[in-house]
Amino acid sequence: RKEVEQDPGPFNVPEGATVAFNCTYSNSASQSFFWYRQDCRKEPKLLMSVYSSGNEDGRFTAQLNRASQYISLLIRDSKLSDSATYLCVVRSTSGTYKYIFGTGTRLKVLA
Amino acid sequence: NAGVTQTPKFRVLKTGQSMTLLCAQDMNHEYMYWYRQDPGMGLRLIHYSVGEGTTAKGEVPDGYNVSRLKKQNFLLGLESAAPSQTSVYFCASKPPTNYNRETQYFGPGTRLLVL
Repeated sequence: RKEVEQDPGPFNVPEGATVAFNCTYSNSASQSFFWYRQDCRKEPKLLMSVYSSGNEDGRFTAQLNRASQYISLLIRDSKLSDSATYLCVVRSTSGTYKYIFGTGTRLKVLA
Repeated sequence: NAGVTQTPKFRVLKTGQSMTLLCAQDMNHEYMYWYRQDPGMGLRLIHYSVGEGTTAKGEVPDGYNVSRLKKQNFLLGLESAAPSQTSVYFCASKPPTNYNRETQYFGPGTRLLVL
């Protein structure tokens, strides 16, 4: 089993739709959680960190469920510019700063 | 402020050739990382460094060596390239841990094709 798992998609949604992605992680001792965005043939960029209490940044909401070991990303009012691959990232080991990346979920927002 | 830069952007090698990929950052970051990205595999950590003069193995270190002689530079070497090393290589850096931030800043990537 992969340490971080995501549905690869693609998720094809119309503009204005709400879409949600989940990511599961296998190591219950995981420390930190993130969502990165990667455009085609570009480098990943941090979208948002995920905190235990959940956090929101404009149209994006991230949540962490430690009991079930998953994190989620909700995108409201999807824009064409949201089309990208969303990478789930987990730091598993306390005291080190090594990160495990999921394979990514591809989102296509359609006009 | 250039952020993280990578050299070269693209390279074609023949099996058995050697090369060095250069990563440079001007943000005074302590941590630096080398990843490779392959279709369906996500980014996998090759080697990383927690400061000048230090390096450590990641998830897929075999066939690669690294050096961090200067804080701003992290070099990735392939001593004898193999077709299995065809990939996109990303370098990343991260601020010191006492900043309480864990954002990784990535370079634009190096596309390597080994024939």
